[in-house]
Amino acid sequence: EAGVTQFPSHSVIEKGQTVTLRCDPISGHDNLYWYRRVMGKEIKFLLHFVKESKQDESGMPNNRFLAERTGGTYSTLKVQPAELEDSGVYFCASSQAVGARQPYGYGYTFGSGTRLTVV
Amino acid sequence: LAKTTQPISMDSYEGQEVNITCSHNNIATNDYITWYQQFPSQGPRFIIQGYKTKVTNEVASLFIPADRKSSTLSLPRVSLSDTAVYYCLVGDINRDDKIIFGKGTRLHILP
Repeated sequence: EAGVTQFPSHSVIEKGQTVTLRCDPISGHDNLYWYRRVMGKEIKFLLHFVKESKQDESGMPNNRFLAERTGGTYSTLKVQPAELEDSGVYFCASSQAVGARQPYGYGYTFGSGTRLTVV
Repeated sequence: LAKTTQPISMDSYEGQEVNITCSHNNIATNDYITWYQQFPSQGPRFIIQGYKTKVTNEVASLFIPADRKSSTLSLPRVSLSDTAVYYCLVGDINRDDKIIFGKGTRLHILP
């Protein structure tokens, strides 16, 4: 079974430019999550998709960030325009929806992340 | 979600057994205890989960005392490749909810 795939693995862009990150979840996983870790900080939740719908976007930092998951398969996270403080590692995770009862923290698979550097 | 407290960092040597303890004093009746491992340049990876007593798999053991207010992740005979950040998570059956990460424990294995 292929894991969660993210690309690019690294991206260096200038302040003010646009960057789009992509995540391909495990096939059949309805849940898709975006996380971010900026230097020296904890991994922070950004957004949760259930299929193509945004279930929870409480962690999105501001309106420069736009996440989409058209067709409920892969997802993109666009940062426009990028700022210096957006630098960090962006992780994507997926899990199979099993309804109401699933032990907390079980069944999630994370990608290796995209390291974004804004200069 | 229950608040968790774990050491910020630990050092150990190859071949040693490493125990990382996590405190979760306000754990609720339905909460599970889960540990994730994150190697440098990789995403977090699920390693073990338990509710009470002891759980063992090919990677680690998880010891949970009767009062469940703490738990200990035990890594037998560590190697350099076990250098990673280890996260303790405590939460209820989640209805496919997001995971919340704390600071974790940065484990550094020395030769």
